[in-house]
Amino acid sequence: DMKVTQMPRYLIKRMGENVLLECGQDMSHETMYWYRQDPGLGLQLIYISYDVDSNSEGDIPKGYRVSRKKREHFSLILDSAKTNQTSVYFCASSLSGNTGQLYFGEGSKLTVL
Amino acid sequence: GDSVTQTEGQVALSEEDFLTIHCNYSASGYPALFWYVQYPGEGPQFLFRASRDKEKGSSRGFEATYDKGTTSFHLRKASVQESDSAVYYCALGASSGSWQLIFGSGTQLTVMP
Repeated sequence: DMKVTQMPRYLIKRMGENVLLECGQDMSHETMYWYRQDPGLGLQLIYISYDVDSNSEGDIPKGYRVSRKKREHFSLILDSAKTNQTSVYFCASSLSGNTGQLYFGEGSKLTVL
Repeated sequence: GDSVTQTEGQVALSEEDFLTIHCNYSASGYPALFWYVQYPGEGPQFLFRASRDKEKGSSRGFEATYDKGTTSFHLRKASVQESDSAVYYCALGASSGSWQLIFGSGTQLTVMP
């Protein structure tokens, strides 16, 4: 049904805790992305995944890692979260070779105390 | 590196006003240019794209023309409605099979009835 689903939508963690953000898509898109959105900075690319186990760093990968073991699932992991990782995280997917249309999820708002 | 600049952080208009949101880009190659729109509580949505000089993209009454000479892709709409209130993102991208987009900082449009 052309949908990108993110879980959880809201998360509060303490500094130093681990964070797992999950993303699923039902379109069999090869490429998936993780962006973070901060006021005044727009959307910044953290990681891009071209397919299962084929991931590349984006513009701001430090402090993050990703996992993609199935085409429809893409996870973002924060090992030992920091307060400056408080943000809204968006997952997106796209079909290779198409017009460049990315399909975004509704976002996961992470607060690190 | 490549970048996108949106000069207006916020734009406030009344219904039926004319809208212009400025977008300028810097890129070493010949990128495709995009506009995305984000409504409150949702992820960004693809609005339209243009991929060559003088090409016009359009959707839902919005339009923009790719101008390589002035490196611009300004968003325009002749008569805005309250329902157009949203954040608008300009982006550039290139494809080598998979698309990687660089987004501007976004412009919050508020339309008053």
